Parts: sequence; C-alpha cells; structure tokens
Amino acid sequence: DADVTQTPRNRITKTGKRIMLECSQTKGHDRMYWYRQDPGLGLRLIYYSFDVKDINKGEISDGYSVSRQAQAKFSLSLESAIPNQTALYFCATSDPRQPNQPQHFGDGTRLSIL
Amino acid sequence: GENVEQHPSTLSVQEGDSAVIKCTYSDSASNYFPWYKQELGKRPQLIIDIRSNVGEKKDQRIAVTLNKTAKHFSLHITETQPEDSAVYFCAASRFGDGNKLVFGAGTILRVKS
Repeated sequence: DADVTQTPRNRITKTGKRIMLECSQTKGHDRMYWYRQDPGLGLRLIYYSFDVKDINKGEISDGYSVSRQAQAKFSLSLESAIPNQTALYFCATSDPRQPNQPQHFGDGTRLSIL
Repeated sequence: GENVEQHPSTLSVQEGDSAVIKCTYSDSASNYFPWYKQELGKRPQLIIDIRSNVGEKKDQRIAVTLNKTAKHFSLHITETQPEDSAVYFCAASRFGDGNKLVFGAGTILRVKS
C-alpha cells in the first residue's frame, strides 16, 4: 500500500544538538506538510511544500528548517534543539488533484529533548 | 489567521449512546472542514469531511453538520462502540490557500461498555 513513512519513530537527544526528521512517501502526492502535536494544542503547521521548489512557512516555523529533496522526500531539521521542541511530529501529504485534497499522515516521530 | 475552537475537551458516553463534538472557526473564507480520529499511539486518520457548499454529510454512524452563518460545525457519532474511543480533531482550511489545516485542540472520547 502506498504510504507515508517517518524516521526515526522515536528520538531522545540533548539541548543544542542538530536533529533531522525524515519523511518519505510512495503516494505520488505533490504536497507535503510538517506538523507538531502537543497535548491540549492539537496539531500545528510548521512548514509545507507544494513541490521541490516551493517551500513555505507555517504557523510555528521559528527554530525549524526543511528540505524537499525530491517529490517523495521532505525533511525537518532542528538546528539547535531546545526542550520546548519536545513533541510528537507528523508528516502529511496531499494530492491537489483529488476532491477535497485530504491530507494523509505518517505514523509520527516522538522527539524528546533533554 | 484562522482559529478553531473545539468542545468539549473530554467526553464520556455509555456504549450505544450518541456523542457530539462541536467546533467553531473564525475565518469566513474557510471552505473545507475535515474530522480526524487518532487512536492511542497512532496517526490521525480522516473519518469524514465536508465542504462549505454542503450542510450535512453522513457515513454510516458518523455525520458532520455545518452552519456557515454561525461558523460552527459538529461531529455526530450514533450508537457508539468501545472502538470509537479515541481523540477526535476538527480542522478548517481554504482550498485557495494551499489547504493548510488549522486544527482544534482535540476531544478525548471514552465509550464505556
């Protein structure tokens, strides 16, 4: 089945470290998104990309950067991790050609920063 | 920007009863309203969605209603079952703005058997 795959699934690291979270998809979707989930806050958009050359900031982009290496790959980086970036991170994809363009999520990466 | 509020934050119902979760949105230009279900430790899964040109949509035991004038929409689950226990999120977006989803804070639904 076509899917959205996130690696790693869990990561524990220290303040100040650089971290990369990776997302790959076999759905053939052009659009990819990164969200973070915090208890009581729902999911919030960090960055999104409509194709390899089109990357946009979301609601909470400070402290994060992204790279769209190919249509199927979208990576999220924390250049210098801080404890309040501890959260569950989700990647999502969508196809603008589909009715309603629903977003499909990966299994998430649980990130803990000590 | 868009702001979505969701109520209640937790909801407990007896198996077989109905559950209703309500969301309000602030941007009158929003035109797409999906609902996601997230089981413990799992990814959010789309369960139903509605566009602004439709007032109601049903899919078996779940339905969504939309009141554009009041800017609120609701999820209705009938004949609840233990497997309906999960966190439910509403969201709003505009197709013309990249379909960026703005989520509510979520509702923890517990179905007691």
